Amino acid sequence: DQQVKQNSPSLSVQEGRISILNCDYTNSMFDYFLWYKKYPAEGPTFLISISSIKDKNEDGRFTVFLNKSAKHLSLHIVPSQPGDSAVYFCAASEGAQKLVFGQGTRLTINP
Amino acid sequence: ETGVTQSPTHLIKTRGQQVTLRCSSQSGHNTVSWYQQALGQGPQFIFQYYREEENGRGNFPPRFSGLQFPNYSSELNVNALELDDSALYLCASSSGGRQNIEAFFGQGTRLTVV
Repeated sequence: DQQVKQNSPSLSVQEGRISILNCDYTNSMFDYFLWYKKYPAEGPTFLISISSIKDKNEDGRFTVFLNKSAKHLSLHIVPSQPGDSAVYFCAASEGAQKLVFGQGTRLTINP
Repeated sequence: ETGVTQSPTHLIKTRGQQVTLRCSSQSGHNTVSWYQQALGQGPQFIFQYYREEENGRGNFPPRFSGLQFPNYSSELNVNALELDDSALYLCASSSGGRQNIEAFFGQGTRLTVV
């Protein structure tokens, strides 16, 4: 059972435009959500997180939105830059123990 | 402040053999988690260690075992290797607790079982 799903395996965006990555989850007990970025031959790098008691968290060019009723979260990157090209993983946690990851979305920023 | 480091970076083993992977946690972190990432998938939780005790386990068989040492470094041991164990193994360290959920990952160990 896939509790965290990223339904888009890939996304291509023009440099300077907005990138929107989506994630759905099924477990209503998740209380914390995170986004990680991964370059080839490197481990995932933490980007931004949001608690289930909030609906938005912003950090520079990155904003995460949480819609609990729809069990959906999204990551907005504005403006998109070539260095943002990577695989992005959505992850969720219940009780600060393990992280449950989605399958990842490969983001390509085109010049 | 040192980051999370894993060794070795690459490893080839034969089916049936045993393997030990190592992880040094980030300075100040007392919690280490191990994940398996198969090709094209997201990382899957294997288990977590907090202050040398196992603190949760994912859906992996007992031939996957671990240790955490007093300096909070950790080992992942896999016995009786199977072809499906071929994957990237990631170690993540964190400070522990609900206020410190962000985990910092090492670069991973790529294990190939032939």
